Amino acid sequence: DTGVSQDPRHKITKRGQNVTFRCDPISEHNRLYWYRQTLGQGPEFLTYFQNEAQLEKSRLLSDRFSAERPKGSFSTLEIQRTEQGDSAMYLCASSGDRPTYNEQFFGPGTRLTVL
Amino acid sequence: ELKVEQNPLFLSMQEGKNYTIYCNYSTTSDRLYWYRQDPGKSLESLFVLLSNGAVKQEGRLMASLDTKARLSTLHITAAVHDLSATYFCAVDTFNAGNMLTFGGGTRLMVKP
Repeated sequence: DTGVSQDPRHKITKRGQNVTFRCDPISEHNRLYWYRQTLGQGPEFLTYFQNEAQLEKSRLLSDRFSAERPKGSFSTLEIQRTEQGDSAMYLCASSGDRPTYNEQFFGPGTRLTVL
Repeated sequence: ELKVEQNPLFLSMQEGKNYTIYCNYSTTSDRLYWYRQDPGKSLESLFVLLSNGAVKQEGRLMASLDTKARLSTLHITAAVHDLSATYFCAVDTFNAGNMLTFGGGTRLMVKP
């Protein structure tokens, strides 16, 4: 059984550079989420896909952020012109299509450090 | 806007003691989740609570949900060092794009 995987696990970049992260959800899950977690805080929702459709975006997701899930399988999150405030753990989660609840399973995260 | 508050934020306790972590939320929901996070690691699902009065137990942890009071508790019985971690509650309003809104976390340290 493979859980949610994310790549890379760590990324160090200089301010102004672009970065892209990848998430592979649990294979039968059609829902995929991106969250951001800063030190000492709980995760904050960024965006949500059902299959390939991006259905929700947080106002935290500025126009420098873009996410895709082109074939309803893996997803990418790109940050353009990174800023130091983007330094955080970026978590991906997936869930199946249960009608009554939405238990989300999280990947190991990508820790981004912007210098 | 949904707000989820946990208390305490930090808890240091001795092995063998009991304690309760509280999770309050500000809007109607009957779906609440508890997660555990070890330092530098991702989140591990502990409990899914789906209705008023729901109670789930696993080992030394027991979670309950009171939807009328908008309150969930995570009770720790006879704590052991291995329970040291940060615990998060999260609420799913289901109508809000299925996103989870997390509390700020309770950092638990169990001392021998």
